[in-house]
Amino acid sequence: EAQVTQNPRYLITVTGKKLTVTCSQNMNHEYMSWYRQDPGLGLRQIYYSMNVEVTDKGDVPEGYKVSRKEKRNFPLILESPSPNQTSLYFCASSLSSGGNTEAFFGQGTRLTVV
Amino acid sequence: DAKTTQPNSMESNEEEPVHLPCNHSTISGTDYIHWYRQLPSQGPEYVIHGLTSNVNNRMASLAIAEDRKSSTLILHRATLRDAAVYYCILSGLGTSYGKLTFGQGTILTVHP
Repeated sequence: EAQVTQNPRYLITVTGKKLTVTCSQNMNHEYMSWYRQDPGLGLRQIYYSMNVEVTDKGDVPEGYKVSRKEKRNFPLILESPSPNQTSLYFCASSLSSGGNTEAFFGQGTRLTVV
Repeated sequence: DAKTTQPNSMESNEEEPVHLPCNHSTISGTDYIHWYRQLPSQGPEYVIHGLTSNVNNRMASLAIAEDRKSSTLILHRATLRDAAVYYCILSGLGTSYGKLTFGQGTILTVHP
């Protein structure tokens, strides 16, 4: 089954404690991205990756890092989480970055930073 | 990025057709019109997309105006499982590297 898998689904952590949210896709997609969803602000792109070793900032990259060492994996790293990073996070993948392709989203990771 | 405008909310009765409108008057010639939906507590789910011609798939139909400045997502027979937030999004060479810009979407309520 084609899917994007995120882990963990829920996470409560303390300010400053480094964490990683994993994302994996099984569709051999080139394009992957991370979004955060906040009430009243909708989904906003954090980072994206066009292919292995190619990543770039989205609209709200501050406080986040990503890496793309393998095609299937695109982890999101919070080196020093702060309460304003409390949010619902979604990983997405698609065959390419062109418009004629559908995106697949993970189930989401609800992060709370206290 | 080209923007889309959707009604905040719409209501329908079960088993009736639903027409969800979207305006995108600044669409560029290379932008595809995408529709995604988000059910409660889930990630966005692809529904359908098109460029110029009307499109049909197992989930819905997409009717695109001739000037491409508006489109309508058609759910032929709404079910309770179709209750979700529906997003109309433009994606293509005119937008930034595959980024999907989600607006507030249309909250669809389906009554039994």
